Parts: sequence; C-alpha cells; structure tokens
Amino acid sequence: DVKVTQSSRYLVKRTGEKVFLECVQDMDHENMFWYRQDPGLGLRLIYFSYDVKMKEKGDIPEGYSVSREKKERFSLILESASTNQTSMYLCASSLLAGGNNEQFFGPGTRLTVL
Amino acid sequence: QKEVEQNSGPLSVPEGAIASLNCTYSDRGSQSFFWYRQYSGKSPELIMFIYSNGDKEDGRFTAQLNKASQYVSLLIRDSQPSDSATYLCAVNLRYNTDKLIFGTGTRLQVFP
Repeated sequence: DVKVTQSSRYLVKRTGEKVFLECVQDMDHENMFWYRQDPGLGLRLIYFSYDVKMKEKGDIPEGYSVSREKKERFSLILESASTNQTSMYLCASSLLAGGNNEQFFGPGTRLTVL
Repeated sequence: QKEVEQNSGPLSVPEGAIASLNCTYSDRGSQSFFWYRQYSGKSPELIMFIYSNGDKEDGRFTAQLNKASQYVSLLIRDSQPSDSATYLCAVNLRYNTDKLIFGTGTRLQVFP
C-alpha cells in the first residue's frame, strides 16, 4: 500500500513565522504535490515536483516555496506566515507523469496562523 | 468561468437509489477525468478515472464522459449511507502531466 505521511496533523503558528510542512512517500513515486483546501474553494495546487530538485508552480504559489532534495520527501515552506494562509494542506504523490495516474493523498495538516 | 464546476449540494438520496453527480469543464483539450471521494475530516481517495467518451463501470460506480458537451458524471447505484461524502471531480488538462484541476465538490447524503 502506498503511504503518504505528513509531519503534523495540526499546527498553530504566529504571523511572520517561517513554517515548514513535510511530506514523505514510501512508494518511489516520481511526482509529488502540495495543495491547500478551503471551504467553497476546493483543492488548489500550490506547487508540484516531477523529479528531485525539480519543481513547478501550481495555481497559487504566492507566499510559498518548496524543496525536494530526496525523491521521497517534499517540503512546503511558508517564508513568513500570514493569517490568510490558515488552511488545510494536503500532500499527494503519483507514480509517473502520464495523465492517468492516481494521486495518493496524505492525511493533511491543518495550519492555523494567528 | 471556473475550469471545473460542480454543484455543491447537498444531494440527498434515499438508500438504494441511484445518485447522479455531475461535473462540467471548460478546457476542450482536457485529457482525463477523475472522481475522488472525501469523507469528512479525511483525505480524498480515488474512485475511478475515465478518458474515453462513453461509460466506464466499476462495481456500483459508473463514470460517464461526454467530451462534446464537456461534462463528466458519476452514477452510484444502490446508494448506501456509507456513500455519504463529498465527491470531487478532477480534470487533467494535458496528457504528459499529472497536474489536476479540482472542482469544489458535491456533498452527497444517503439517508436510510
């Protein structure tokens, strides 16, 4: 079974703090994704990576950066957290690029920025 | 216009009925289409995907794709209370990438 794990289920941070969200997958997947999910807005892609050290912006990259130094690990970084980044953050991975590959999601991190 | 649109619901159906969930998309070049189910407080999980016009069946679930009309639907036969969840439609715009555009989801309630 594919397993995608995220470092925290709940996180509370203060405005201006630097925040790291970690995601690890154990199935040697090529692609990894970071989404945020907000009521009424659905799942929105922040960044994705299709290889180590490779990344592409998603639909809402502003205020975020990512790092993928190892194939199994994809980190989302909030350089200076703001209250509008309070959200549920979901990491996902998929095997290969190709259009019909299932994305497997982690359990999510609910981030609150005060 | 949103790229992927779904009625937010809730869609309420009695146990044993057919639930019909619909999704429309704006990009005619979209290649493949996914239905994910998300229980409250949980992560999305894939139900099925479809990329050819017509119907695709998997157990109680049938996905229907009509590229000319730019809609995809999910039928759930013999609906059960355990099917109560939010159903997310997702569209892959280009074949050589796994980047998905998600709709906002339809909440389904199946009552006994």
